[in-house]
Amino acid sequence: DAGVIQSPRHEVTEMGQEVTLRCKPISGHNSLFWYRQTMMRGLELLIYFNNNVPIDDSGMPEDRFSAKMPNASFSTLKIQPSEPRDSAVYFCASSLTSGTGGNEQFFGPGTRLTVL
Amino acid sequence: QKEVEQNSGPLSVPEGAIASLNCTYSDRGSQSFFWYRQYSGKSPELIMFIYSNGDKEDGRFTAQLNKASQYVSLLIRDSQPSDSATYLCAVVRGNNRLAFGKGNQVVVIP
Repeated sequence: DAGVIQSPRHEVTEMGQEVTLRCKPISGHNSLFWYRQTMMRGLELLIYFNNNVPIDDSGMPEDRFSAKMPNASFSTLKIQPSEPRDSAVYFCASSLTSGTGGNEQFFGPGTRLTVL
Repeated sequence: QKEVEQNSGPLSVPEGAIASLNCTYSDRGSQSFFWYRQYSGKSPELIMFIYSNGDKEDGRFTAQLNKASQYVSLLIRDSQPSDSATYLCAVVRGNNRLAFGKGNQVVVIP
């Protein structure tokens, strides 16, 4: 089985440009998570979807960030306009969330974003 | 107070020794706890989960949970150089989201 797929793996862009990160979760998983990881702040949850519906977007830093999940097999995280402080590794993770609260998340390989 | 705290700095252990990692959490209502391992430049991967007070063993790894004291720990027995990585503690919060600690780096010295 393929794991979580993310693209691109690396992105270098200039300040002010739009950046779109893509994620394909594991087939059958009903929850999808976008994280950002930096040395200073560690791994931070940006947004969480359940059954394609955004459940918790309290971690989205500001209006420059937006995320969509148009169907169960695809999600995007968009930054517009990008700023140097957005430079980080962005991970997508998916899980099969049950009523018991089991929440074993499987992470994609990440996208390393550098904003110059 | 941070949701999940992993305070100790890098941990260096000789090969074959026991590595001990600790994690505290703020929400007394938390029920599910996870340990992830992250190699440098790679994504986190789940190595252990624990839901009940006490110990849970899986191979060379043992997770320990004490809900009354709000801490969870991870022991790595017979440490190997391949165990050198950053270990992230995670706690399930509301809406089934995970809150992660900043991680502890483990270096196993051959």
